[in-house]
Amino acid sequence: DTAVSQTPKYLVTQMGNDKSIKCEQNLGHDTMYWYKQDSKKFLKIMFSYNNKELIINETVPNRFSPKSPDKAHLNLHINSLELGDSAVYFCASSREDRVETQYFGPGTRLLVL
Amino acid sequence: GENVEQHPSTLSVQEGDSAVIKCTYSDSASNYFPWYKQELGKRPQLIIDIRSNVGEKKDQRIAVTLNKTAKHFSLHITETQPEDSAVYFCAASINSGAGSYQLTFGKGTKLSVIP
Repeated sequence: DTAVSQTPKYLVTQMGNDKSIKCEQNLGHDTMYWYKQDSKKFLKIMFSYNNKELIINETVPNRFSPKSPDKAHLNLHINSLELGDSAVYFCASSREDRVETQYFGPGTRLLVL
Repeated sequence: GENVEQHPSTLSVQEGDSAVIKCTYSDSASNYFPWYKQELGKRPQLIIDIRSNVGEKKDQRIAVTLNKTAKHFSLHITETQPEDSAVYFCAASINSGAGSYQLTFGKGTKLSVIP
């Protein structure tokens, strides 16, 4: 299914580089999210964003920044990549109006060398 | 903020047996409790959820119970099959403002169903 899609699927890069991961949802959802899943499989919220507000998890370094060109997209920009940024990054989306299911993208596996 | 504890971290059962995974949460304002299944190399997918105004919900072989007073909820899988093998995550959701609901996930339970 392509309800929430991410590109690229895999990303291998050198320390210090700047990279972006793209996310698109075609569900008409108002809110989008970025999660980081580390090697121990812990899923941690990084950002949530709707057309009103960006909510940032305070533990996320400011090298990470979400950019939303429109309601259907929330891209993740990462500056000055570090080894510890290696993880799987999942985008998700949900409706805004009430507590609702979040639908996840397929994930982007980032490896920083 | 919300804190979700999940136990056990690994669980092995014989095919046909039942599996139970338990979670506790800290924020009494949490009002939505989904369970996600993540197969190896795949995305987390919702398998069942429960809202705070309901005590129990069942969908075929899967059921979830919620005890708001004790702030814990559990996932029950009956008649387990090998394809149930995966990592299961519980989560609790609170309104984080401006219509956004943030999920806090437990650390996951790796379920292995032995044929």
